Amino acid sequence: LAKTTQPISMDSYEGQEVNITCSHNNIATNDYITWYQQFPSQGPRFIIQGYKTKVTNEVASLFIPADRKSSTLSLPRVSLSDTAVYYCLVGIWGLEAGTALIFGKGTTLSVSS
Amino acid sequence: EAGVAQSPRYKIIEKRQSVAFWCNPISGHATLYWYQQILGQGPKLLIQFQNNGVVDDSQLPKDRFSAERLKGVDSTLKIQPAKLEDSAVYLCASSLELLGGGGTGELFFGEGSRLTVL
Repeated sequence: LAKTTQPISMDSYEGQEVNITCSHNNIATNDYITWYQQFPSQGPRFIIQGYKTKVTNEVASLFIPADRKSSTLSLPRVSLSDTAVYYCLVGIWGLEAGTALIFGKGTTLSVSS
Repeated sequence: EAGVAQSPRYKIIEKRQSVAFWCNPISGHATLYWYQQILGQGPKLLIQFQNNGVVDDSQLPKDRFSAERLKGVDSTLKIQPAKLEDSAVYLCASSLELLGGGGTGELFFGEGSRLTVL
């Protein structure tokens, strides 16, 4: 069961790029890495998922080094509306029930003007 | 596409009373999850259903919590009797299928039901 470690909080200013790193030293061969975003009074929302190298979508990029022991969520040019809690999850969807479904404490990102 | 619906949004009860939360997942989603999120913490998985069968309920306090998913669609989470420490947001999520070996197992969450136990 891969355990993840993220910074508790990060601060940024509008227009800057934000990189949030997650450590998962005991990630298994079949594990995927998934990031969720959560605003106050809302449920988490899927941002991005990857297995290795780099994944990019319209919202963020996910960088995964060759050893896969860490991953970095990159948010380009953040705005005030990106203020939220970001969770990193590691595991296999479905093969072992529950392994991909464990949320840590997350990283609280605060964006200021 | 309609999202995951939950009700009630807010509930205040006295300790030792009972409460029930309802969830209607996205149409066609076979897998349904209930999470408990205490203020300042990440969501904690309580129970996972695949259609109407339980996949994982290892974190569900079975002496007071129960959940069912009749006909593999809607689900109800019940707490009886409630304790002060049950004060939390109860989140329901659904996903298209239970995938093996990775894949895009994206969870879609509802807005949650906030429970306050006095």
